[in-house]
Amino acid sequence: RKEVEQDPGPFNVPEGATVAFNCTYSNSASQSFFWYRQDCRKEPKLLMSVYSSGNEDGRFTAQLNRASQYISLLIRDSKLSDSATYLCVVNLNTGGFKTIFGAGTRLFVKA
Amino acid sequence: GAVVSQHPSWVICKSGTSVKIECRSLDFQATTMFWYRQFPKQSLMLMATSNEGSKATYEQGVEKDKFLINHASLTLSTLTVTSAHPEDSSFYICSARDLLAGLRGETQYFGPGTRLLVL
Repeated sequence: RKEVEQDPGPFNVPEGATVAFNCTYSNSASQSFFWYRQDCRKEPKLLMSVYSSGNEDGRFTAQLNRASQYISLLIRDSKLSDSATYLCVVNLNTGGFKTIFGAGTRLFVKA
Repeated sequence: GAVVSQHPSWVICKSGTSVKIECRSLDFQATTMFWYRQFPKQSLMLMATSNEGSKATYEQGVEKDKFLINHASLTLSTLTVTSAHPEDSSFYICSARDLLAGLRGETQYFGPGTRLLVL
């Protein structure tokens, strides 16, 4: 089983749609959680951190459920510019800091 | 925000040559830098953790004699792909943590990546 699992997609949605991505992680010692965005042939860029209380940044809402080891990202009112790969990222600190990346979920927003 | 640079941005070389990639943290000190490799349509895979002033820690399956890492200062880490072969062609990305930045230290800042093509 992969340490961080995501649905690879692709998700094809029209502009204005709401889309949700899910992610599960296997290591209960995971400490911090993030969503990154990666455009084609570019490096990943931090989109937002994820907290148990849930957090929102404009059209983006992230949620963490530690009991279920589940992370989500909701994008409302999708824009063409949201088209990218979204990476679920987990930090561990078990005798050393380590970051585990999910394989990413591809999103295509169409006009 | 924190900035990490990487040089060169792309390299084309002949099989058997060695390629050196630099990763610099521009506005913060990074005691730890990470080197990742990403093949097309795949996720980033951690190759090694580079610690300033000490030996790098390599992930399982990554040959330390082939991928030489040097972290000589708090702002610079280098990755040298020795005797590169076509199967080493990939997107190499470094990242750095700013441990003095509190919560920000939990995040990594990525360099723009280096595309390596070995012919």
